[in-house]
Parts: sequence; C-alpha cells; structure tokens
Amino acid sequence: EDQVTQSPEALRLQEGESSSLNCSYTVSGLRGLFWYRQDPGKGPEFLFTLYSAGEEKEKERLKATITKKESFLHITAPKPEDSATYLCALNAGNNRKLIWGLGTSLAVNP
Amino acid sequence: KAGVTQTPRYLIKTRGQQVTLSCSPISGHRSVSWYQQTPGQGLQFLFEYFSETQRNKGNFPGRFSGRQFSNSRSEMNVSTLELGDSALYLCASSLSGTGTDTQYFGPGTRLTVL
Repeated sequence: EDQVTQSPEALRLQEGESSSLNCSYTVSGLRGLFWYRQDPGKGPEFLFTLYSAGEEKEKERLKATITKKESFLHITAPKPEDSATYLCALNAGNNRKLIWGLGTSLAVNP
Repeated sequence: KAGVTQTPRYLIKTRGQQVTLSCSPISGHRSVSWYQQTPGQGLQFLFEYFSETQRNKGNFPGRFSGRQFSNSRSEMNVSTLELGDSALYLCASSLSGTGTDTQYFGPGTRLTVL
C-alpha cells in the first residue's frame, strides 16, 4: 500500500538554526511530490513540486530535494515567520488522488 | 489572478442538521477536490469533480455529497450532521486534476457541530 511518512512530527528551532524536514514514501511509480505550508486555520499554501530523483527546487530560505525513497525540505537560517506546519503529498501510479503525510509542525523562536 | 474562494468561512450547526459549503476555483481550473482536515487525521480526501462529473471518491459515508456546476464552481453537502463532522473543510482546484498538476487551496470552511 502506498504510504507517506513525515518526520519529525514537531520541531522547535532557534532563529537562524538550520534544519531539515523529512518526507519518506513507499509507492509504485512516483509521478509527483508536493510540499505545502499551512498556517493555523488556513488552507495549505503551495511551495514546490518535484518529479524525479535528483531534482531540487529553491525559494528564499527553503530548498526541496528528492531521492527514490524520500524528500527533504531544508530550511536555512529560519525566521519566526517560517513557523507553520509543512505538508508533503504525492501522486503515484495511475491514481489521480494525492496521498498526504500528517505534516511537521515547525516553531521558530526569536 | 484571484485564488480559490470558499464560503462561508465559519459555520456552527447542531447535530442532525445539514450544511452546504461552496467553492469557487481559480479561473480556468476545471478540477475541484474537497478535503476534510482534523487534528491528528491530516487531510482526508472526500471527492474530486471535473467537468461536472465526480471522478474520485474517498472513504466517507453517503451523508457527504457534492456537485460541480458548468462554471466549475462546486458545492459539498453534509446531511444529518454528527459531532465528528466538526472539521476544517478545504477545497482545492487544479487545471485538469491529473494528480501531477498542482492543487491550490482555498482558506477553508471551519464547521463546528454542537
């Protein structure tokens, strides 16, 4: 069965302390992996799409990478405004539905 | 370009009542998906509509239904509300809903069932 697991569940960083969030998956025929950011009580905001192993995407302090088994969201020198839940979702096989992870709740202290 | 809009933003209902939520997708997007989000359960897929047809359905009881209009706007209905239906309901639109095109989310409707 296709599965997506995000770790850690929660992460607390000091401002400027870089770290990485993990999204590991067991699927057949990955077609696309998506990263979203969600603030409390709001809808997820799209960040990146990755389609194949080795691909990298970057935006401000965030960088997403992917291998055949996992994807990382690297956060460099985070700021308090980066505090949010980061969600990973992927599409695989012939299914048009996305499979969602439970997210990593990130808190960045000033 | 306007984003996905959802109305109402907040709803309070009592058990046994029914509710209708509305979603207007990004202009040009023909696929609309609905999700239920609760703490600890993450995003649970309800259904997806494309060109007024339901193409995919999640594992929810028949009390949850939806439809899509010719202008791609979509509504979902929950009948005979239960306490467990309290959640954030999210609508997402995409160009074609192939699974590889990006889904863009609305702000959600917070439903509280008392």
